[in-house]
Amino acid sequence: QQPVQSPQAVILREGEDAVINCSSSKALYSVHWYRQKHGEAPVFLMILLKGGEQKGHEKISASFNEKKQQSSLYLTASQLSYSGTYFCGTERGGSNYKLTFGKGTLLTVNP
Amino acid sequence: NAGVTQTPKFQVLKTGQSMTLQCAQDMNHEYMSWYRQDPGMGLRLIHYSVGAGITDQGEVPNGYNVSRSTTEDFPLRLLSAAPSQTSVYFCASTPRSNSPLHFGNGTRLTVT
Repeated sequence: QQPVQSPQAVILREGEDAVINCSSSKALYSVHWYRQKHGEAPVFLMILLKGGEQKGHEKISASFNEKKQQSSLYLTASQLSYSGTYFCGTERGGSNYKLTFGKGTLLTVNP
Repeated sequence: NAGVTQTPKFQVLKTGQSMTLQCAQDMNHEYMSWYRQDPGMGLRLIHYSVGAGITDQGEVPNGYNVSRSTTEDFPLRLLSAAPSQTSVYFCASTPRSNSPLHFGNGTRLTVT
């Protein structure tokens, strides 16, 4: 079952902040975040693990609320290079690995 | 290291034809998976594998077969192509659960 991302799209001016949300109806073990530029493959940004451990990008932060099965990605002082589609991927844990992605959030940063 | 290599980059098929999308990784990753990407739908999991000889279905497996005879290779077979299978296909690998996915550059498939 796909996690739900919001907003679907957001337009910023350079230097502005943005928050992208990801929620699931199922209990989660971890949440991944990826960014995809047009015509390219998705690129890893961050993983948030149950228990609070966070791995990833220096200039982008995120949170993971395990009780609410929600994660938020915080993009501060946005740069033109932040433009792209952001995907969250959720993993429910267990012995079989399966990462399910949301439909994506299109972020456009203008000068 | 080449990472994850997908071939071909582009392919056009006629309805009813069969073909195999190739995926190979040289990082000795245990986990491999296939996703399809359609506008507005995000990345949807087709099949995945947790090791050589072990495969399982994802969200949208119908019309596709996979096998994993070696750690390195994870081919995706379209048995009888349909226009609904027009999409961009990504192969990905990771060494373990809770680690980043490494994506290939994708295969753009058009079925007419």
